Parts: sequence; structure tokens; C-alpha cells
Amino acid sequence: DAGVTQSPTHLIKTRGQQVTLRCSPKSGHDTVSWYQQALGQGPQFIFQYYEEEERQRGNFPDRFSGHQFPNYSSELNVNALLLGDSALYLCASSWRGKNTIYFGEGSWLTVV
Amino acid sequence: DQQVKQNSPSLSVQEGRISILNCDYTNSMFDYFLWYKKYPAEGPTFLISISSIKDKNEDGRFTVFLNKSAKHLSLHIVPSQPGDSAVYFCAANLNSGGGADGLTFGKGTHLIIQP
Repeated sequence: DAGVTQSPTHLIKTRGQQVTLRCSPKSGHDTVSWYQQALGQGPQFIFQYYEEEERQRGNFPDRFSGHQFPNYSSELNVNALLLGDSALYLCASSWRGKNTIYFGEGSWLTVV
Repeated sequence: DQQVKQNSPSLSVQEGRISILNCDYTNSMFDYFLWYKKYPAEGPTFLISISSIKDKNEDGRFTVFLNKSAKHLSLHIVPSQPGDSAVYFCAANLNSGGGADGLTFGKGTHLIIQP
């Protein structure tokens, strides 16, 4: 049973560029959430997707956008990258109606 | 303003003893709490959770206690083992009825188990 998988694991981008991160949820899960974890901090909720729509959003600017596909996989897009966007981006999945979410190993983004 | 606080950045415990990790929250609307464990270069791994209608939940060596009146929860690990050395995150959830909403995390406590 595959868990939550994310790609790429590491990437380096230049300020002002755009990045797309990808996530496949755990088998049987239909809800995907994205989190940003800066060094020394806990994960911060970006947004959640269910039935291909954004259902809930944390305190992140519109530069952060996402998408969910019919197979429940998801993408996180960040435009106009800033140095402060450098962080570990975590994807998490769950079954709608259940409280426990499961995380992938994350994508390390470095903006230079 | 941090709604979930883990006030101990690190904790050192001898192998075989009890580890107690603490977490405080400010939002009285939180109704579900979870603990995650994180090794370096890995994503957080779910450990144990508790609903606000309970005050204790146990799973093997791990027990979570919830004191709603004090807005405080704790994770007990007995006995502590070397593999327990990791960063532990407390997280809270506002369940709007549609299941898991966005979790609010604390900053984590780095648990070090000494041999």
C-alpha cells in the first residue's frame, strides 16, 4: 500500500521564477492538503483540495495556487518566488470525514 | 499569535524512563488533537490522536492526555527507546463536520533519548 508520494524531493529555483510540486495521495484517500514547513517551525497549512476544488485555505497569498485531478493527485504552484518561500513543502492526504491525515516526505525548495 | 504552543524546544530523557511532551492551545474551538513524530529528511509520521470528548487515549507505549479546562495535552512515552529520538509535533484540528480541516501545529519538541 503506497503512502503519500511527492516529487521532486529537492529543487533550486531563482527569485521570480515559478515552481510546481506534485503529490499522489495514499491509496483510498480523496482529500489532499499542502503545508509549508520553514526551518525550526511547525508545518503551516496552505490549502486543502477535495473533489477537485479548494475547500479551505490558510494565510498564504494568491501566489500559492493548486489543483486536484480526478485521480485525487494534486499540484502546488508558487509564482513569483521569494527567498522566503524556501522551505519544506509537505503534502498530506486523508479520507473525507476522517480526522487523521498522513504526510509525504516533502519537497525541499530552495530559492536563490 | 501561536494557537498551539510547545514551550520546550528540546527534552533529554534516559532510555527506559518516561518521556513527557507537553502542548498548550488557546483556541477553545479545537476539538481534535494529534501527535506527529518527525525524523530529519522525512515527513511527519502520525503517532496518536485524541478527540475532545475523551481525556485519555492509549496505543502501546504512547498515551495522550487531554485537559480541556486547562487547554493542555501531553504525550507520554513509556518506556523510552533510542528510536524515539525525533522531533514531536502537537497539532490541533477544527472539525467543521467535513472531516480533517487544516491542522494547526506547534513548533515541535526535539526529544533525545540518552543511552
